[in-house]
Amino acid sequence: TQLLEQSPQFLSIQEGENLTVYCNSSSVFSSLQWYRQEPGEGPVLLVTVVTGGEVKKLKRLTFQFGDARKDSSLHITAAQPGDTGLYLCAGENNQFYFGTGTSLTVIP
Amino acid sequence: DAGVIQSPRHEVTEMGQEVTLRCKPISGHNSLFWYRQTMMRGLELLIYFNNNVPIDDSGMPEDRFSAKMPNASFSTLKIQPSEPRDSAVYFCASRVDLNTEAFFGQGTRLTVV
Repeated sequence: TQLLEQSPQFLSIQEGENLTVYCNSSSVFSSLQWYRQEPGEGPVLLVTVVTGGEVKKLKRLTFQFGDARKDSSLHITAAQPGDTGLYLCAGENNQFYFGTGTSLTVIP
Repeated sequence: DAGVIQSPRHEVTEMGQEVTLRCKPISGHNSLFWYRQTMMRGLELLIYFNNNVPIDDSGMPEDRFSAKMPNASFSTLKIQPSEPRDSAVYFCASRVDLNTEAFFGQGTRLTVV
């Protein structure tokens, strides 16, 4: 059972464009994390959000946790080729589940 | 610390053979996870240990899969007998506690022919 649905599944954009990735669930999470995975490697943590409505920024990346702690978004401003990768959200709810993933390609 | 260490990095085996994947978590981490990743199903949680005790193995596909954690520094995931549909990348991850960062190994790419 996949508790966390991410959209879009695939995204290909030009360098300099903005984008938003969504992570949605019907379950409430005590925390939600975003990871990025590059080919041949395991996922690496980008951020953890804990409080409903919380917003965290990591350079050009902005993460938001929904007020009800059921969903989250990741916004990237002025995307760069180095942002290319698989973005995964992961929710904590007596278990630790990963979302379906968003594969991002940024074209130079 | 060298991070989470998995072995082997690649495994090619024939259908019906036994496969054992190994994981050494980061020292001091109390939780260990085994995941399987495929294009079709994404990153699936197979089993989760806390303080060496299996907490939830509901993600284990079937009886052919088994996992053990005999001590805090070692875990195995065994598939017996293996089938072509088991082909995937298997990840081990460890973390200190709830709501903390999970550190992943580099994965084992399993191909069953």
